[in-house]
Amino acid sequence: RKEVEQDPGPFNVPEGATVAFNCTYSNSASQSFFWYRQDCRKEPKLLMSVYSSGNEDGRFTAQLNRASQYISLLIRDSKLSDSATYLCVVTPGGSYIPTFGRGTSLIVHP
Amino acid sequence: DGGITQSPKYLFRKEGQNVTLSCEQNLNHDAMYWYRQDPGQGLRLIYYSQIVNDFQKGDIAEGYSVSREKKESFPLTVTSAQKNPTAFYLCASRIGSSYNEQFFGPGTRLTVL
Repeated sequence: RKEVEQDPGPFNVPEGATVAFNCTYSNSASQSFFWYRQDCRKEPKLLMSVYSSGNEDGRFTAQLNRASQYISLLIRDSKLSDSATYLCVVTPGGSYIPTFGRGTSLIVHP
Repeated sequence: DGGITQSPKYLFRKEGQNVTLSCEQNLNHDAMYWYRQDPGQGLRLIYYSQIVNDFQKGDIAEGYSVSREKKESFPLTVTSAQKNPTAFYLCASRIGSSYNEQFFGPGTRLTVL
């Protein structure tokens, strides 16, 4: 089993839709969790951190489920500009070396 | 402005040549990382450094070398021993020995002709 797994998609949704991605991780001692956004041929940029209590930033909500070992990202009222690849990043406890998922592609169409 | 810079943005190399990719940061971060990304693939770790004058191999270090003589700089050399070097190379930094987020440079796209 890969350390961090994501559905590669693409998720093809209309503007205004709500879409959710999940990311599963295998190391139960993982300590930190992030969602990054990567546009085509660009560097990844931090979208949001994921806390045990959940995290909301405008239309974006991230949650952590330690029992089932997954994190999620919910995007409400999708915009055309949300089209990108969303990378899940997990850092196992004690290693300080982040592990990246392969990313989930989102395409928002008019 | 604080950030990470990488140069050049695009690099073309003939087979058999070594090339060095530059990565500089003024964020005062201790840890720096080099990743490789191939089309449709995730980021794979080449080398990382948690502190000046120290670095460790990542998952795909063969054919690459690095140095960390200054805190701000972490250059990556792609040697002729790297069999398939055409890829997008990303440098990142982070506050050392922490679980904080990484910050990425804009990347260098290397093409071997």
